[in-house]
Amino acid sequence: GEDVEQSLFLSVREGDSSVINCTYTDSSSTYLYWYKQEPGAGLQLLTYIFSNMDMKQDQRLTVLLNKKDKHLSLRIADTQTGDSAIYFCAESTDYGGATNKLIFGTGTLLAVQP
Amino acid sequence: DTGVSQDPRHKITKRGQNVTFRCDPISEHNRLYWYRQTLGQGPEFLTYFQNEAQLEKSRLLSDRFSAERPKGSFSTLEIQRTEQGDSAMYLCASSFYLSGPNTEAFFGQGTRLTVV
Repeated sequence: GEDVEQSLFLSVREGDSSVINCTYTDSSSTYLYWYKQEPGAGLQLLTYIFSNMDMKQDQRLTVLLNKKDKHLSLRIADTQTGDSAIYFCAESTDYGGATNKLIFGTGTLLAVQP
Repeated sequence: DTGVSQDPRHKITKRGQNVTFRCDPISEHNRLYWYRQTLGQGPEFLTYFQNEAQLEKSRLLSDRFSAERPKGSFSTLEIQRTEQGDSAMYLCASSFYLSGPNTEAFFGQGTRLTVV
């Protein structure tokens, strides 16, 4: 079956790097996503990676994908207090990632200490 | 504001009552999704529409739930005979799809339902 797991909480100091990890079970996943959710706000797509890639960098964000171990990580460089939020990993198993029918993880609460 | 709009933002209802939520997607987005998020969990897919056609429904969507998108624009989600277990945040998202790989879905701020 489909399952996406994340650690519940991560605390870092401002300026440090944050690494949020995710494991998934469905090897047919086509796209893998990272979303950010701030209190009272909707989900915001941060970045995504196609399953035939192993790394994607976008400014302060680096996504690493280990397809063999079904492990996905999000690294945030130079973490700021504004990065404090819940981060969700999500997968799409539809062929070609043709829909946004997503399976979300339980979320990781990132707390950035000044 | 041209983002996804949901109404109401909060709803408190007594068990057994019916409730209806509305979602206005971004203009020209032909796909619309409903998700449910309970406290401490990630969103769970409920259903999605392409234009006015409901293309997929999750097993989570019991017979008490019905969603419509009559003119291919806004959508409503109705819950009949609400139960305490229906208490959750109901999220709507929309995207534009033509062909090939999918594009980004934009989420609304959600409707928080509390059943007492």
